[in-house]
Amino acid sequence: NAGVTQTPKFRVLKTGQSMTLLCAQDMNHEYMYWYRQDPGMGLRLIHYSVGEGTTAKGEVPDGYNVSRLKKQNFLLGLESAAPSQTSVYFCASSYVVAGETQYFGPGTRLLVL
Amino acid sequence: GESVGLHLPTLSVQEGDNSIINCAYSNSASDYFIWYKQESGKGPQFIIDIRSNMDKRQGQRVTVLLNKTVKHLSLQIAATQPGDSAVYFCAENIRGSQGNLIFGKGTKLSVKP
Repeated sequence: NAGVTQTPKFRVLKTGQSMTLLCAQDMNHEYMYWYRQDPGMGLRLIHYSVGEGTTAKGEVPDGYNVSRLKKQNFLLGLESAAPSQTSVYFCASSYVVAGETQYFGPGTRLLVL
Repeated sequence: GESVGLHLPTLSVQEGDNSIINCAYSNSASDYFIWYKQESGKGPQFIIDIRSNMDKRQGQRVTVLLNKTVKHLSLQIAATQPGDSAVYFCAENIRGSQGNLIFGKGTKLSVKP
């Protein structure tokens, strides 16, 4: 099993550009999450999904959109990138909702100029 | 293991010594706790977990202790090795939430050879 994979690994954007980050998991997990990690801020939840076709807002959802068209994939979109969105983005998945470990991908480093 | 500003608390230990990393959690309704290890440039990696009906759990070279009275969690690493150098952070799941983990900001463990 590959676990949780993320593409791309690194990306540079100009302010105002758009892009989509892809997360895929092969563990048949129901729940998927997108986090951003900034120095000194820890992991902050952007959006999450409790199953195919569903999405919900996390702690810092503004400026991002997500879609979960297939159970194994969770996409994070930036419609108009801003320098404040420079961060490392992590995707995670878990099997059931309550009290279960989340498994993380390797991360995507995004630099917005 | 809470950080102040941009700087993570750092624990420096000698190779072979035992390490103890602490975490204060926030919510008395939290019922599940996880310790993650994050090496530079990688995603968080599950180490060990514990549920609120337990006060101690042991893994390979690691032990987690839970003190619900003072809302405190600790991770003990026996015979610390250079490969243990990483940022460690705890996460809590609040009972009744949609499985969204709340992450601490982390503690950096540095192992001196």
